[in-house]
Amino acid sequence: QEQLVQSGAEVKKPGASVKLSCKASGYTFTSYYLHWVRQAPGQGLEWMGVINPSGGSTTYAQKFQGRVTMTRDTSTSTVYMELTSLRSDDTAVYYCARELQGGGTWLDPWGQGTLVIVSS
Amino acid sequence: EIVLTQSPDSQSVTPKEKVTITCRASQNIGISLHWYQQRPDQSPNLLIKFASQSFSGVPSRFSGSGSGTDFTLTINGLEAEDAATYYCHQSSSLPYSFGQGTKLEIK
Repeated sequence: QEQLVQSGAEVKKPGASVKLSCKASGYTFTSYYLHWVRQAPGQGLEWMGVINPSGGSTTYAQKFQGRVTMTRDTSTSTVYMELTSLRSDDTAVYYCARELQGGGTWLDPWGQGTLVIVSS
Repeated sequence: EIVLTQSPDSQSVTPKEKVTITCRASQNIGISLHWYQQRPDQSPNLLIKFASQSFSGVPSRFSGSGSGTDFTLTINGLEAEDAATYYCHQSSSLPYSFGQGTKLEIK
């Protein structure tokens, strides 16, 4: 079935970087965009950005510009999200979610989420 | 940037009750509005796409309506398994955005 499987939980110190992965299976990897959305403990959903696996183009939320980089590896159908200069308020569950090529549509499915804890 | 505002923030409801959640957009988004359900400690799941189209496998008690700036998610005949937080999401333009969520508690 079509699914997104994310990497495991991470614990990082303030100022460090984290690189998360999201592996797609069950569909044509380059036919869908992949978004990253995060959720701080007890909070709502926050959109971070999107990558087009077909050409690698990206768009990031202004809030994360300069700190986030999204990449993809078409040979393994995997997208990556690296966040640098981590702060305690980056503690959150990070989700990847799929969208039809062309954009303007819904997000489905979602990965299971990766918990990132930033603590000294 | 488009801001989505949901109401209420939370609601305590009894089984079989009808529930209405609203989502207001800060500008006209046509029907580029989608609804998700997130149960505790789970990923969000799509319920309704393009304001009123039910997603595959979603129970018929869930329905959506609206266009432009005002949207509604309705649950007819609430069941215990519907205890969750519900989010609206706009895909009219980047950056995508979500409502703040509406938490439903079952009495």
